[in-house]
Amino acid sequence: NAGVMQNPRHLVRRRGQEARLRCSPMKGHSHVYWYRQLPEEGLKFMVYLQKENIIDESGMPKERFSAEFPKEGPSILRIQQVVRGDSAAYFCASSPSGRETQETQYFGPGTRLLVL
Amino acid sequence: GNSVTQMEGPVTLSEEAFLTINCTYTATGYPSLFWYVQYPGEGLQLLLKATKADDKGSNKGFEATYRKETTSFHLEKGSVQVSDSAVYFCALSDPYTGKLIFGQGTTLQVKP
Repeated sequence: NAGVMQNPRHLVRRRGQEARLRCSPMKGHSHVYWYRQLPEEGLKFMVYLQKENIIDESGMPKERFSAEFPKEGPSILRIQQVVRGDSAAYFCASSPSGRETQETQYFGPGTRLLVL
Repeated sequence: GNSVTQMEGPVTLSEEAFLTINCTYTATGYPSLFWYVQYPGEGLQLLLKATKADDKGSNKGFEATYRKETTSFHLEKGSVQVSDSAVYFCALSDPYTGKLIFGQGTTLQVKP
């Protein structure tokens, strides 16, 4: 039973380029959360998605960041026109359907983004 | 709003010492509480959880009790090993959306 998959594991971009981070949830999971971990800090919530729906994006920066979770395929976190301050580890977590089991989230290995 | 506060690290212990990492929270409603562990260069792994007051979560010798009266969820282990060296995160889940709110993390270093 494969866990949460994220790719790439490491991503280097120059300022102004676009970064695309992918997350495949665990089999049977339909809820995806994205978190960002800045250097020497804890994780901060960014966005919560279910298939084809954004449920809570209260942690997403208003500009340059977007997320989707299509009916087929992985969830994508997209950062346009990256800046050095976007350098961080981005973690995806998934949880099963159903409110009671919704709370246990299983994390992927993360994508470490470095903006030069 | 909801928040989690952990004791600052790093915490440095000798092997077989007793471990306590303090965690307190502020929340509306009745959140679940979690401890996650992060090894260098890896993602977070769920260590233990508790879903209601007075529940005790336990795993791999670690345990934590959900204390509503003191709004705390302190992590304890009776005898740490070198392999326990990692960063430990306390978290609560928003009872409405399930999103996790994390403390800042506590680095544990265990020396032989």
